[in-house]
Amino acid sequence: EVQLVESGGGLVQPGGSLRLSCTASEFTLSSSWMSWVRQAPGKGLEWVANINEDGSDKYYVDSVKGRFTISRDNAKNSLYLQMNSLRVEDTAVYYCVGWSSSWGGFDPWGQGALVTVSS
Amino acid sequence: DIQMTQSPSSVSASIGDSVTITCRATQGISSYLAWYQQKPGKAPKLLIYVASKLQSGVPSRFSGSGSGTDFTLTISSLQPEDFGNYYCQQANSFPLTFGPGTKVDVK
Repeated sequence: EVQLVESGGGLVQPGGSLRLSCTASEFTLSSSWMSWVRQAPGKGLEWVANINEDGSDKYYVDSVKGRFTISRDNAKNSLYLQMNSLRVEDTAVYYCVGWSSSWGGFDPWGQGALVTVSS
Repeated sequence: DIQMTQSPSSVSASIGDSVTITCRATQGISSYLAWYQQKPGKAPKLLIYVASKLQSGVPSRFSGSGSGTDFTLTISSLQPEDFGNYYCQQANSFPLTFGPGTKVDVK
């Protein structure tokens, strides 16, 4: 069964940093564009960032540009999201997701990691 | 940026009813549209991609149609397990954007 498992979530103060990790099993992460998608409590889905197969191409939503960095280590079959200068409005469940460059949608999805930014 | 809208925001229907959700993009996106189902406390699940292609394992009572700016998701015979939130997503260009969601309640 394909599994994406996020880790690294938690409580952090405004202005702090956190690094999310995502490891894959039964899924060759190195062969896929990957994404982070977040969902604030009780709210809808928001795309955060994308990275291509070899890490040379990255895209971000405007609200995180300059603060968040998506990266990957294909040898470890892992994806990362480094989050700096965190704001209260970054509080959300963050999903690690595969992204199809052919049809542009998201599949498969991890179970999500909760990031809470609060003083 | 391409904005996505959905209607209705919520719908309550009986088992066996047909339910239709509409999604509209602020500019043409060809057929680059996907639909997701999300149940409380769970990750979203892909239902439909490129507007009308059914993801493997998704029941055939789900169908999608449309192109350009207007799209629909239809559940032909609502089942109890179909409750949840449904989101459309444009896959035409970055930033990738989702609709605000439609909550489906089963009466």
